[in-house]
Amino acid sequence: SQQGEEDPQALSIQEGENATMNCSYKTSINNLQWYRQNSGRGLVHLILIRSNEREKHSGRLRVTLDTSKKSSSLLITASRAADTASYFCATGLIQGAQKLVFGQGTRLTINP
Amino acid sequence: NAGVTQTPKFQVLKTGQSMTLQCAQDMNHEYMSWYRQDPGMGLRLIHYSVGAGITDQGEVPNGYNVSRSTTEDFPLRLLSAAPSQTSVYFCASRPDMGYGYTFGSGTRLTVV
Repeated sequence: SQQGEEDPQALSIQEGENATMNCSYKTSINNLQWYRQNSGRGLVHLILIRSNEREKHSGRLRVTLDTSKKSSSLLITASRAADTASYFCATGLIQGAQKLVFGQGTRLTINP
Repeated sequence: NAGVTQTPKFQVLKTGQSMTLQCAQDMNHEYMSWYRQDPGMGLRLIHYSVGAGITDQGEVPNGYNVSRSTTEDFPLRLLSAAPSQTSVYFCASRPDMGYGYTFGSGTRLTVV
């Protein structure tokens, strides 16, 4: 099974609301990354958080990491229609650190 | 900067045919990877490279070969195409494992 698993698999909210997506993983990591994929496009790197960091911000994005629970969350504040996309977490493992392992993604829909 | 360039964008193969998916990056990145994306499966790592002349297998390497003769290029070869290889293939590069990946726009491959 996948190293990283996102929850929920799909999320639909109204424009202006906040969106929260969660990622759980199984083995120890060096870092955890979040990516966005618009339909039919390649992935875009959003943010990287290292294993010794607990929280990181980038614009309207806030990422938290809890290594004791092996989980991370991505919060998008004041959502916009343009945020409609799939969001993936990816883990850089301690063992096999050269690899980046992706979860199955959360499909986020922002309704106007 | 072109970033990561993948060719072709679309390809239809007959079962048993071979072909090479091209990937080139102009950012002087050491790390490059190939992923395949199937519905409901997220992205799965096929092969990766940490520098010219160095490649290794990912999660799903069977049926694929890679080589890395230069920093810029990382072609993926399908040896004998099978319908199970119908997928969208993404190439990605990054400076090293402490950074996020830059993705290409993908190659949509159909094997009939």
